[in-house]
Amino acid sequence: KNQVEQSPQSLIILEGKNCTLQCNYTVSPFSNLRWYKQDTGRGPVSLTIMTFSENTKSNGRYTATLDADTKQSSLHITASQLSDSASYICVVSFSGGYNKLIFGAGTRLAVHP
Amino acid sequence: DTAVSQTPKYLVTQMGNDKSIKCEQNLGHDTMYWYKQDSKKFLKIMFSYNNKELIINETVPNRFSPKSPDKAHLNLHINSLELGDSAVYFCASSPTWGDGTEAFFGQGTRLTVV
Repeated sequence: KNQVEQSPQSLIILEGKNCTLQCNYTVSPFSNLRWYKQDTGRGPVSLTIMTFSENTKSNGRYTATLDADTKQSSLHITASQLSDSASYICVVSFSGGYNKLIFGAGTRLAVHP
Repeated sequence: DTAVSQTPKYLVTQMGNDKSIKCEQNLGHDTMYWYKQDSKKFLKIMFSYNNKELIINETVPNRFSPKSPDKAHLNLHINSLELGDSAVYFCASSPTWGDGTEAFFGQGTRLTVV
């Protein structure tokens, strides 16, 4: 069964601290993996997208890693800010066309002052 | 400047009613999608259209009928609404339908069926 699982379900950190979110997937055949940020009451916004051959990709303070062999990905947030409070969703795309996306349930991050 | 816009943002209606959600994108994209986000926060694809043609229909009840009058619009009509239809519905678009193309999401429509 094609699934995307994320951990932890929720996380609270203090402003300025770093954190790492995890994603495991069983989607096959695999095309690419994305991380999205979803603010409350808003639609998801793309942070990174990685293909099979990419191990890491950064977008400002966000760095995503991908191990296609173990089917694991992580999203590392550096020097967190209050505005980082949101849900972070791992999304895996099927290979073979149609841009079909399988979403994880997300990790809800709260950054406290 | 909104790239993908949905209306309405909130919709409260009674069981059995028929309702529509509208979606428009001004990005010039060829492909548009409807996703449903359930209470467990998973987003699941419902439909995908490419240049006004249906390319994905993910076993959605036939009470849900998408309509794409042109490639910039993809509306969702729901007949005989049920309690289980309560969810947040997201419209999205991407430049093409191929693997790896970026998807841009609207702000969502929270549908509550009472």
